[in-house]
Amino acid sequence: ETGVTQSPTHLIKTRGQQVTLRCSSQSGHNTVSWYQQALGQGPQFIFQYYREEENGRGNFPPRFSGLQFPNYSSELNVNALELDDSALYLCASSVDFSGAGGELFFGEGSRLTVL
Amino acid sequence: SQKIEQNSEALNIQEGKTATLTCNYTNYSPAYLQWYRQDPGRGPVFLLLIRENEKEKRKERLKVTFDTTLKQSLFHITASQPADSATYLCALFYNQGGKLIFGQGTELSVKP
Repeated sequence: ETGVTQSPTHLIKTRGQQVTLRCSSQSGHNTVSWYQQALGQGPQFIFQYYREEENGRGNFPPRFSGLQFPNYSSELNVNALELDDSALYLCASSVDFSGAGGELFFGEGSRLTVL
Repeated sequence: SQKIEQNSEALNIQEGKTATLTCNYTNYSPAYLQWYRQDPGRGPVFLLLIRENEKEKRKERLKVTFDTTLKQSLFHITASQPADSATYLCALFYNQGGKLIFGQGTELSVKP
């Protein structure tokens, strides 16, 4: 069984640009959550997708958007990048809603640097 | 809004001792609480889950307690080893809102 994979692992962008991060969920998982983790901080919830529908959103502006595909893989898009968007972006998949008590399986993250 | 606080100071202990990490929260008790381990530059890895109606959970050298009166969870690693050195994150799930909220993590360093 393959784990959660994210791409790219590292990328550098400049302010105002747009970025797309990708995530392949673990086999059999239908829920994907995205988190932003700044250096020295805990992961901050961005949003969650369940069966291709957004199923919850954290305190992030609309320029953070996402998609989930029929194969349950997912994308995170960030428009009009700001310096503060520099962080590790983590994707996590799970078998079902977090409410079922399931653990999250995290990828290794995409490290975004905005200059 | 919910606040989660973990020991902000790094915890340094000697090999063989018990490490105890604290997770405090404000306002409402979560439906359940999870602990994760994170190594530098890696994604978090799930360790244990404890529900609001459970007082204690164990898994090998790990033990988690959950006190909804104190609004606190304690995470213990007994007979600690240098390989246990990592950042440990607590995460709380609330049915209202349906999301898992993480604390800022506590860095543990176990010296040989």
